[in-house]
Amino acid sequence: DTEVTQTPKHLVMGMTNKKSLKCEQHMGHRAMYWYKQKAKKPPELMFVYSYEKLSINESVPSRFSPECPNSSLLNLHLHALQPEDSALYLCASSQDVTYTGELFFGEGSRLTVL
Amino acid sequence: GENVEQHPSTLSVQEGDSAVIKCTYSDSASNYFPWYKQELGKGPQLIIDIRSNVGEKKDQRIAVTLNKTAKHFSLHITETQPEDSAVYFCAATPYNQGGKLIFGQGTELSVKP
Repeated sequence: DTEVTQTPKHLVMGMTNKKSLKCEQHMGHRAMYWYKQKAKKPPELMFVYSYEKLSINESVPSRFSPECPNSSLLNLHLHALQPEDSALYLCASSQDVTYTGELFFGEGSRLTVL
Repeated sequence: GENVEQHPSTLSVQEGDSAVIKCTYSDSASNYFPWYKQELGKGPQLIIDIRSNVGEKKDQRIAVTLNKTAKHFSLHITETQPEDSAVYFCAATPYNQGGKLIFGQGTELSVKP
């Protein structure tokens, strides 16, 4: 199983809502990532988790709150978002952060903030 | 920090022709250079990668070359097919920052039948 599964595929939320994006992998990977991708732009790194601990936060606003409940799951909690936060949110995983190799990406959650 | 420049931003070729996409990077300590293909509505998928101790790597119709001195690497696709149409991203991983991919701006490849 070489899949990273993300839910939901699409999400529409108001600026006062609280919602969560979920990501799951069963490849035994110990590093998991959140990337943000705007239309016609490359993915931009948001957070890196290594062995369930947050290792990189790329100065992401606090209205985005990541969580790694266990080695297979990664969540991104969303609160008080702005319309400019509308984007494709990609989850990825890799063997671990010390291994420089393939990142496996999910298909993304497309978020629209009204 | 690392910066990756990618050219061209769009590329249109006839089926059967070759396509070449070029990237340059700024950090001479970067040591891993993957190429990702992103089809519409999907996440990026690795198609080939190269490490700094190798000059060239080939996988069927796809090849990547790396020139460490000039700090540039290129993707070559031969005998292009319509299903090769997608956005292609090059990336670099700074030394000792595994998983932190710095992407180029992307190339939208269109293969016309």
